Amino acid sequence: DTAVSQTPKYLVTQMGNDKSIKCEQNLGHDTMYWYKQDSKKFLKIMFSYNNKELIINETVPNRFSPKSPDKAHLNLHINSLELGDSAVYFCASSQVVSDGYTFGSGTRLTVV
Amino acid sequence: AQSVTQLGSHVSVSEGALVLLRCNYSSSVPPYLFWYVQYPNQGLQLLLKYTTGATLVKGINGFEAEFKKSETSFHLTKPSAHMSDAAEYFCAVRSYNQFYFGTGTSLTVIP
Repeated sequence: DTAVSQTPKYLVTQMGNDKSIKCEQNLGHDTMYWYKQDSKKFLKIMFSYNNKELIINETVPNRFSPKSPDKAHLNLHINSLELGDSAVYFCASSQVVSDGYTFGSGTRLTVV
Repeated sequence: AQSVTQLGSHVSVSEGALVLLRCNYSSSVPPYLFWYVQYPNQGLQLLLKYTTGATLVKGINGFEAEFKKSETSFHLTKPSAHMSDAAEYFCAVRSYNQFYFGTGTSLTVIP
């Protein structure tokens, strides 16, 4: 009964491949996010969806495409993977402004 | 514009000593402020938050933080460090639909 679950937890792939990371939340939250954490632990927002509608789309290569089939799911598809895409990707969800995020446990992507 | 500055990317304390992790923010609106902790190979976990009301906020694991509007600060403290407190700590300010995270402070606890 994990609140925000991401799969897979680890992903090792070769340059040029296409991969997806899935995220599901069972908290009934309206808003979901994708964050990228680099090797220096810096957290950068990538996308945010509110009730399946894209509301934040930061400067991210268009090789990254989020998809939200319903408000409980937000998946991240990455085309033509590059070495610089290696990072930990976190999914998160929230409801009201005064609440914090609930984070998933992360997906460690390694591109070789 | 909103931003968060965490002073000191690495802090080391002895077990049993006071923990003080510094966070300053800038916000054009009354801020919602948060501290998160990230243990190795895990996601971020909410430690505590300030929204409105009492400026001294208590969180989990004995941590607390004080919102000081005049200093635009939200420093995190714990009276006595435990080995299990070793982790990465993130301060964040929330505005509208997103958070702005600090760059994190890595806490090392020396036995």
